[in-house]
Formats: sequence, structure tokens, C-alpha cells
Amino acid sequence: EDQVTQSPEALRLQEGESSSLNCSYTVSGLRGLFWYRQDPGKGPEFLFTLYSAGEEKEKERLKATLTKKESFLHITAPKPEDSATYLCAVQEGKGNKLVFGAGTILRVKS
Amino acid sequence: DGGITQSPKYLFRKEGQNVTLSCEQNLNHDAMYWYRQDPGQGLRLIYYSQIVNDFQKGDIAEGYSVSREKKESFPLTVTSAQKNPTAFYLCASSSRSGGTEAFFGQGTRLTVV
Repeated sequence: EDQVTQSPEALRLQEGESSSLNCSYTVSGLRGLFWYRQDPGKGPEFLFTLYSAGEEKEKERLKATLTKKESFLHITAPKPEDSATYLCAVQEGKGNKLVFGAGTILRVKS
Repeated sequence: DGGITQSPKYLFRKEGQNVTLSCEQNLNHDAMYWYRQDPGQGLRLIYYSQIVNDFQKGDIAEGYSVSREKKESFPLTVTSAQKNPTAFYLCASSSRSGGTEAFFGQGTRLTVV
């Protein structure tokens, strides 16, 4: 059974304090790994897609990386507006459905 | 503006009632999905459809039903058989080909009163 585990469950950072969020997965035939940002009471907003080990994607203060067993979302010099829940999802080879992790709640204090 | 529209934003259901959540997309996507989100849990798949007039059960389909009569629309009915329906419901769509991202609507919060 496909599984996605995110850690930590919650993370508190001071503004400017860089850190990383982890997403470990077990899936037969990874078709894609996706990162989303979700604000309270809203739908998830797409951030990145990663397809193969070694791939990296960047957007502003965020950088996503992928290995054969896990993905990291690195946050460099975060700002309070980066506070949100970050969700990781994997798509396996048989179909289009996405399997989500429980998410990491990030709080950045000024 | 292309996107996914869910309505209503808030919905209240009495015990024993069926309610239908609307999801419409104008992205020309073939695949559509319904997820349920509970506090502290990830998104769990209820139903998904990869093409008109076809849909498959997800991990928690019991107590829910869907239809896919048009490419743009994928309504979800929460039946009285769903014993714990209070949750945040999210609709998404994606291109039919795999490896492409799904885009989400803004969600419907359903509360049993």
C-alpha cells in the first residue's frame, strides 16, 4: 500500500531561520511527487512537481528536492507570510490518484 | 479565469438528510477528484473520475455517491449512510495523463446540526 509520511507535524521558526520539511514515501513506480501549500480554510495551492531522484525545483524562498525514498522542502530565510500547512502527495504508476501525507504546519514568527 | 469552483462554501446538514456538493471546472481537465480533510489528517480520497460517465471509489467511498455526466462537473452527494460527515471537502482536477499536478477548489465545509 502506498504511504506518505511527513515530518515534523509542526514547526515553529523565527523569521530568517532556515529549515527543512521532510516527506518520505513508499510507492511502486513513482509517477510524480507534489508539494502543496494550504492556508486555513482554503484549498491547497500547487507548488512543485518532482519526477525523478536528483531533481530540484525552486520558487522564491522554497526549494524542493527528491531522492528515491524521500523529498525535502527547504525554506530559506522564511517570512511570516510563509506560515501555512505544507502537504506532500505522490502519484503512483497505475493511475492518476494522489496519496497525501498529513502535512507539516509551519509557523514563522517575526 | 480558469479554475475550479466549489459551492456552497458552508453547508449544514440535519441528521438523515442527503446533501449535494457542487464542483465545476473550466480547465478542460479529464480527471476530477473528491477528497475529505479532517483536522490533523491528510486528504483522503473519496471518489475520482478519469473520464465522463466513469468513476472509481477511493479509500473512503462508503456513504458517498458521485456522478460524471459532463466533463466540467463532478457533484458529490453525502448520503444519510455517512455516519460522520462533518469535514472539509475538497474537489480537484488534473489532466488525464499522469504526472501532472492537480488543482483544487476552495472547499466546502459541511457540518451536521
